[in-house]
Amino acid sequence: DAGVTQSPTHLIKTRGQQVTLRCSPKSGHDTVSWYQQALGQGPQFIFQYYEEEERQRGNFPDRFSGHQYPNYSSELNVNALLLGDSALYLCASSKDFEPEKLFFGSGTQLSVL
Amino acid sequence: AQSVTQPDIHITVSEGASLELRCNYSYGATPYLFWYVQSPGQGLQLLLKYFSGDTLVQGIKGFEAEFKRSQSSFNLRKPSVHWSDAAEYFCAVAPSGGYQKVTFGTGTKLQVIP
Repeated sequence: DAGVTQSPTHLIKTRGQQVTLRCSPKSGHDTVSWYQQALGQGPQFIFQYYEEEERQRGNFPDRFSGHQYPNYSSELNVNALLLGDSALYLCASSKDFEPEKLFFGSGTQLSVL
Repeated sequence: AQSVTQPDIHITVSEGASLELRCNYSYGATPYLFWYVQSPGQGLQLLLKYFSGDTLVQGIKGFEAEFKRSQSSFNLRKPSVHWSDAAEYFCAVAPSGGYQKVTFGTGTKLQVIP
């Protein structure tokens, strides 16, 4: 049983570009959350998707948007990239908002030059 | 708003020595509390969690943590550290009754020396 899978593992973009990150949740999970982890920091909550809708959102600008598909997979889109968007982006999945079943992927390392 | 403080950015211990990582949280009620471990280039792995009941919780890899409501603390301990425990450790909090979002501390990087 595969866990949470994220793609790509690494990505290099330039300022002003747009990027899409992808996440496939663990089998049986229906909720996907995205986190940004800057270097030397703890992960920060971006948003959470359930039933194809954004249910919760952290303190991130509208440049950060997402989507969840009927198969529960999810995408994180970031527009107009800034140097400060360079970070490890983590996807986490769970079933029915239950924190004890929160599983994290290995992340996508985004570098903005 | 919920918050987590990990006062120690970096800790160095000798292999075989005991370990305690500190965590203080701020939340209006009793939250869900977690400790996660992250190895370089990896995602987060759950070590243990506290929801209710016994305030001393056991986790994987020989770790334990104690919830102290009066001190708003949830410190992580291990009696004897192994070199493979070198990693970064994150304390986290989520609202009880179903998590809305998990708030993480800034992490403590553990170095283990021979």
